Amino acid sequence: AQSVSQHNHHVILSEAASLELGCNYSYGGTVNLFWYVQYPGQHLQLLLKYFSGDPLVKGIKGFEAEFIKSKFSFNLRKPSVQWSDTAEYFCAVNGGTSYGKLTFGQGTILTVHP
Amino acid sequence: SQTIHQWPATLVQPVGSPLSLECTVEGTSNPNLYWYRQAAGRGLQLLFYSVGIGQISSEVPQNLSASRPQDRQFILSSKKLLLSDSGFYLCAWSIRRGIQYFGAGTRLSVL
Repeated sequence: AQSVSQHNHHVILSEAASLELGCNYSYGGTVNLFWYVQYPGQHLQLLLKYFSGDPLVKGIKGFEAEFIKSKFSFNLRKPSVQWSDTAEYFCAVNGGTSYGKLTFGQGTILTVHP
Repeated sequence: SQTIHQWPATLVQPVGSPLSLECTVEGTSNPNLYWYRQAAGRGLQLLFYSVGIGQISSEVPQNLSASRPQDRQFILSSKKLLLSDSGFYLCAWSIRRGIQYFGAGTRLSVL
């Protein structure tokens, strides 16, 4: 069975600080990887995805993530956060013949202070 | 463009009452459909998914059921709600193993 682990439950940063949110998954086969974000009062929406190719993927709002297959990791990064990045971030994976089912991590709440 | 509608947004129900949450998708055909429950600090848990009309797969044993009477309609139901059914329920759709798109969710409180 697939599982996803996010390392931090709550991260607090000041504006302009750099961000890295950890995500590790367990699945031995080919995977699709996602980061979703939920801003306060809004829908869950896609931040970025990895299907194949370049393991460094770029998403919206200056976010990027790097897929390291040997470490089963897909960490999310942003060099300089803004107050508007305050949200909950979810890492998710689907793999194999899983009919597109996503397994989500526990989520990381990011609070950015102005 | 594709849209997903989920209602109601908020629901307060007594223990033992029935439940029906509806989700519809517009602008696509034969999507995969999903019901998730989101709990604070626990991420999203997949409850049901469907790859076609009348085809429902359950991920976890529970007091809930799902149905897909039409291609773009997905319904989450219960005959008798329990306190433990309280939570935030999200519907989503995708094309095969692609990106999933989520609805606004339903906040269910069982009292």
